[in-house]
Amino acid sequence: GEDVEQSLFLSVREGDSSVINCTYTDSSSTYLYWYKQEPGAGLQLLTYIFSNMDMKQDQRLTVLLNKKDKHLSLRIADTQTGDSAIYFCAVPFRNSGNTPLVFGKGTRLSVIA
Amino acid sequence: DVKVTQSSRYLVKRTGEKVFLECVQDMDHENMFWYRQDPGLGLRLIYFSYDVKMKEKGDIPEGYSVSREKKERFSLILESASTNQTSMYLCASRQHGTNTEAFFGQGTRLTVV
Repeated sequence: GEDVEQSLFLSVREGDSSVINCTYTDSSSTYLYWYKQEPGAGLQLLTYIFSNMDMKQDQRLTVLLNKKDKHLSLRIADTQTGDSAIYFCAVPFRNSGNTPLVFGKGTRLSVIA
Repeated sequence: DVKVTQSSRYLVKRTGEKVFLECVQDMDHENMFWYRQDPGLGLRLIYFSYDVKMKEKGDIPEGYSVSREKKERFSLILESASTNQTSMYLCASRQHGTNTEAFFGQGTRLTVV
């Protein structure tokens, strides 16, 4: 089945850029997602990228996709203390419309003031 | 504002009790999912449903069952709660399609004593 890997922890200083990396195994995935989980809350969609794109930018967020290496990254520019959260990479299992998203274990981002 | 609502934020149950976790969505989504989230293990899929009365096992279905009698409601049942089922439980729903995001409830933190 689909496997999604992320590092578990990242610590950055306020104002620096954060880069969270993700690798996946199913090359047929058409959409790839980044979710954010704040303490004590459920997951919220942060951004997504379609597989025919290499890059997507949305304000402070930049998503890079390397389909050949099956590598996805999320860059947060000018990281703020409010960005402290767990970030999950997710891809559809078997790229089918009625199947679950498969999530990585999540990267806990800590922002030091 | 779209919503996935879980019936309880916090639950404390005794070992051996039958436990019901309820989830309701108001978006007319076909697909609904139950995940559990544990530190260092990320989100693991317990069960999902792609239609009323339909269910599919996820990665860790043992000790759980589900019920989907109506499209908007998906229930997770712990037949005989055990301490190793202490966890955060997250419900999600997703419209059928390969480019659709999953919407999450706020989570239920279950403690089995």
